[in-house]
Amino acid sequence: NAGVMQNPRHLVRRRGQEARLRCSPMKGHSHVYWYRQLPEEGLKFMVYLQKENIIDESGMPKERFSAEFPKEGPSILRIQQVVRGDSAAYFCASSPLAGEEAYEQYFGPGTRLTVT
Amino acid sequence: SQQGEEDPQALSIQEGENATMNCSYKTSINNLQWYRQNSGRGLVHLILIRSNEREKHSGRLRVTLDTSKKSSSLLITASRAADTASYFCATANQAGTALIFGKGTTLSVSS
Repeated sequence: NAGVMQNPRHLVRRRGQEARLRCSPMKGHSHVYWYRQLPEEGLKFMVYLQKENIIDESGMPKERFSAEFPKEGPSILRIQQVVRGDSAAYFCASSPLAGEEAYEQYFGPGTRLTVT
Repeated sequence: SQQGEEDPQALSIQEGENATMNCSYKTSINNLQWYRQNSGRGLVHLILIRSNEREKHSGRLRVTLDTSKKSSSLLITASRAADTASYFCATANQAGTALIFGKGTTLSVSS
């Protein structure tokens, strides 16, 4: 029973390039969450998606960032025209349940993005 | 803004000792969770305690919740070097759509 999978694990981009981060949730999970972690910080929520729907993107910057979770395939977090401040670890989590409570979430190993 | 704030920021102990970490939060909650993160890795769920529970055990872990003080504590008994990690408490946002994490407590256990 594979856990949450993320790829790539490490990604280096030059300023101005695009970064695409992928997340495959656990089998049977239809709820995906993206978080960002800066050095020495806790995780900050970015976006919550269900299949083909963005439910809550309140934590995602309005510009350059977008996320999708298509009917088929992994969830994608896309960062256009990356800047040095985007350097961080990006974690994806999935859960089988949602609604009034955010039940325990299962996290992937993260993608460490470095912008040079 | 942070919902959970862990205390202390860092803790260093010897193997076999107990480690206690505290978490304070601001708004009313349905449940509170504790996660562990080993260096450079993802988060691992440790334990969830519901708002109507006061104490919960899982192996060497003991979690307490005091909703009147809006605080929780995580106790790790008989610590091991493998417990070295960062520990985070997390609560759900009001919409129930995301977890809000504190900055974490970094625990170092030396042998």
